[in-house]
Amino acid sequence: AQSVAQPEDQVNVAEGNPLTVKCTYSVSGNPYLFWYVQYPNRGLQFLLKYITGDNLVKGSYGFEAEFNKSQTSFHLKKPSALVSDSALYFCAVRDGGAGSYQLTFGKGTKLSVIP
Amino acid sequence: DADVTQTPRNRITKTGKRIMLECSQTKGHDRMYWYRQDPGLGLRLIYYSFDVKDINKGEISDGYSVSRQAQAKFSLSLESAIPNQTALYFCATTSRANTEAFFGQGTRLTVV
Repeated sequence: AQSVAQPEDQVNVAEGNPLTVKCTYSVSGNPYLFWYVQYPNRGLQFLLKYITGDNLVKGSYGFEAEFNKSQTSFHLKKPSALVSDSALYFCAVRDGGAGSYQLTFGKGTKLSVIP
Repeated sequence: DADVTQTPRNRITKTGKRIMLECSQTKGHDRMYWYRQDPGLGLRLIYYSFDVKDINKGEISDGYSVSRQAQAKFSLSLESAIPNQTALYFCATTSRANTEAFFGQGTRLTVV
């Protein structure tokens, strides 16, 4: 079975500082990894994905994530946090080696950027 | 217009009532999903469908049923609603395994 762990329920960071939201995963086949963001009273918005290729993936709003196969991690990063980045962030994994295309989500990490 | 539309956006219903949540998409995707979101639990998969004739149970299907009326429509039903089904429900679509899912705006369901 595939799974995702987001070890931090909440991350607080000062505006202008770098931010990291952590994610580790478990799948039997090749991992397809995704980050989504949810603003209050909104649906989930896609940020970025790793399918294959370069381990550093760049996405929307200045976010990036680094795929680390040996540590089975896919941490989300941003060099300089904005107050508007405050939201709920979800990591998700799909097993690229299976045929089911099920997407499994982590429990989410609430990011608060302090002015 | 939104690519994935859910109706209703908010609903309050009584215990024991039957309720249907509807989802329609204009993405042309063949794969559709229903998730529920609870605080601290993230999103959990209820049902998914890879085409009109394919319906699959997800992680938490008990108490729910679905209908795929057409490629673009996927409905979720609660046959007899109970209070612990109070949650935020999301519909999503994808086209292939290596593409991201597109989500609707969600339906906030309260069972009293």
